[in-house]
Amino acid sequence: SQQGEEDPQALSIQEGENATMNCSYKTSINNLQWYRQNSGRGLVHLILIRSNEREKHSGRLRVTLDTSKKSSSLLITASRAADTASYFCATDAESGGSNYKLTFGKGTLLTVNP
Amino acid sequence: NAGVTQTPKFQVLKTGQSMTLQCAQDMNHNSMYWYRQDPGMGLRLIYYSASEGTTDKGEVPNGYNVSRLNKREFSLRLESAAPSQTSVYFCASSGFMNTEAFFGQGTRLTVV
Repeated sequence: SQQGEEDPQALSIQEGENATMNCSYKTSINNLQWYRQNSGRGLVHLILIRSNEREKHSGRLRVTLDTSKKSSSLLITASRAADTASYFCATDAESGGSNYKLTFGKGTLLTVNP
Repeated sequence: NAGVTQTPKFQVLKTGQSMTLQCAQDMNHNSMYWYRQDPGMGLRLIYYSASEGTTDKGEVPNGYNVSRLNKREFSLRLESAAPSQTSVYFCASSGFMNTEAFFGQGTRLTVV
């Protein structure tokens, strides 16, 4: 089964509002990442937060990580129509030795209405 | 700097045919991945390679084989294609300790 699960599956908001997406995962991690995908194209990296960090900011993005609850949230502030996309969390689950595999959740489809 | 290059972009196969999806990266990354994306399923890991010469199964490896030809190239082979393998396939690579991953543009495969 997949390591990460995003919630909600779909989110529709008005331009200017904030959007919050959540991610839960199952096993211990080194870092958690968020990615964006436009219309079935390749994923683009947004932000990475390490397991020893609790919060990170990048422009209009704010990511939090709670390792005790195995959960993360992505907040996009002052959303724009161009933010319409699918958003995925990814975790690096240990797979033996020093190898880590990068696994993704099912994603949240964000629609920002003008 | 091309990043991650996948070929082909589109492919239609008949059931039972074989094909190889090619992936190459020019960022000197150690880790490379193959994912498939189906509607409502997100990205599921098929195989990955943590370094040249090593490969490991992911979540959905059945029906696929991979080859890490060298540090740059990681190919995915379908030996006998089935309609259940109709999907969009993505190759990705990342540096040490799985920091930011870079994705190819995807291969849209239809098996009829």
